[in-house]
Amino acid sequence: NAGVTQTPKFQVLKTGQSMTLQCAQDMNHEYMSWYRQDPGMGLRLIHYSVGAGITDQGEVPNGYNVSRSTTEDFPLRLLSAAPSQTSVYFCASTPGFGQGNYEQYFGPGTRLTVT
Amino acid sequence: GDSVTQMEGPVTLSEEAFLTINCTYTATGYPSLFWYVQYPGEGLQLLLKATKADDKGSNKGFEATYRKETTSFHLEKGSVQVSDSAVYFCALRLGGGAQKLVFGQGTRLTINP
Repeated sequence: NAGVTQTPKFQVLKTGQSMTLQCAQDMNHEYMSWYRQDPGMGLRLIHYSVGAGITDQGEVPNGYNVSRSTTEDFPLRLLSAAPSQTSVYFCASTPGFGQGNYEQYFGPGTRLTVT
Repeated sequence: GDSVTQMEGPVTLSEEAFLTINCTYTATGYPSLFWYVQYPGEGLQLLLKATKADDKGSNKGFEATYRKETTSFHLEKGSVQVSDSAVYFCALRLGGGAQKLVFGQGTRLTINP
């Protein structure tokens, strides 16, 4: 198993540009989440999904969109990048009810800089 | 709302020193508690967990006990190594179907030889 994979590892955007951060998992986990990590603030939840076709907002959803068309993939879209979105982004997946131990598995992260 | 507060870092210790990283939480209901570790350039890895009061989680020489009366989950290790240098995050998991995590701000630990 590759676990949770994220692409790209690094990205530099100009203000106003859009892009999609990719996340995929091959563990057949029902739950997937996106977090951003900022210095001194830990990780904050952006959006999450409890299954294909179902998404919901986390703590800091503004400026981001998600969709979950398959169990495996959970892309995060930045609609119009702003310098405040400079951060490290982590995707995570979790087994669903009855699937296992509810441990969250994290991807390696995407470091995004918006100039 | 639900929150996690960790001891301010950074923390610098010498090899073989005793480590404590404090973590307290505020939560409605009865959350599960976790410690995650992030090594340089990597994602987060689960270090240990406890799912109910008085449970002790342990792994790689680290321990933490879920204390409901003091709403705490302090991380301890008796003798740290250089390889323990990393950022440590305390987190709580809310119940329900989403399995969402709420993280503390992280504590950077550096161990000098």
